[in-house]
Amino acid sequence: EPEVTQTPSHQVTQMGQEVILRCVPISNHLYFYWYRQILGQKVEFLVSFYNNEISEKSEIFDDQFSVERPDGSNFTLKIRSTKLEDSAMYFCASTFNRGTYGYTFGSGTRLTVV
Amino acid sequence: AQSVTQLDSHVSVSEGTPVLLRCNYSSSYSPSLFWYVQHPNKGLQLLLKYTSAATLVKGINGFEAEFKKSETSFHLTKPSAHMSDAAEYFCVAHPPGGSYIPTFGRGTSLIVHP
Repeated sequence: EPEVTQTPSHQVTQMGQEVILRCVPISNHLYFYWYRQILGQKVEFLVSFYNNEISEKSEIFDDQFSVERPDGSNFTLKIRSTKLEDSAMYFCASTFNRGTYGYTFGSGTRLTVV
Repeated sequence: AQSVTQLDSHVSVSEGTPVLLRCNYSSSYSPSLFWYVQHPNKGLQLLLKYTSAATLVKGINGFEAEFKKSETSFHLTKPSAHMSDAAEYFCVAHPPGGSYIPTFGRGTSLIVHP
């Protein structure tokens, strides 16, 4: 069964550093998403991406965040200057049809900011 | 605005006994509803979905859920729990049309005792 692949599985970074989280969505999917789950809290929507541009974003997705699909295969989330409160599990997801029938999620990247 | 309430943060059952994980939604329209399961250190896996067809939905691993509009509920059930069912379960609502930002419940941790 096709999978969404995320790398790395765990990343530790110092406060103020830039991080890039990487995802390889399912090849024929058209919509791509990032979600965040702070430890012990609910899963939160960050951003959706379609046709090489952001289609929707939440209040969390401020100027410190950016997304890119640089080569038609990878889908990346960049955090420019990490803060302690960015520590969370970040999930990438993809879907063929805007999520009406559910998403396929990756296994996540645990980001720890120290 | 819509919201999803998972009434129990933890549910503990014995192996072989029934499972009931409760979910209520609040919305001015009938959303698409989903249950996802998250095993430790894994991504979210789609268990089942309701998209305005049959109100009783069957999913993977013996789980099913019934959409009850009058009660605004979408509870997840399984007749007989297995040790491998121990995981975090999320109820998710997708609004129809327009914005496709989903709303996640806080999650219910299912504990299965031998």
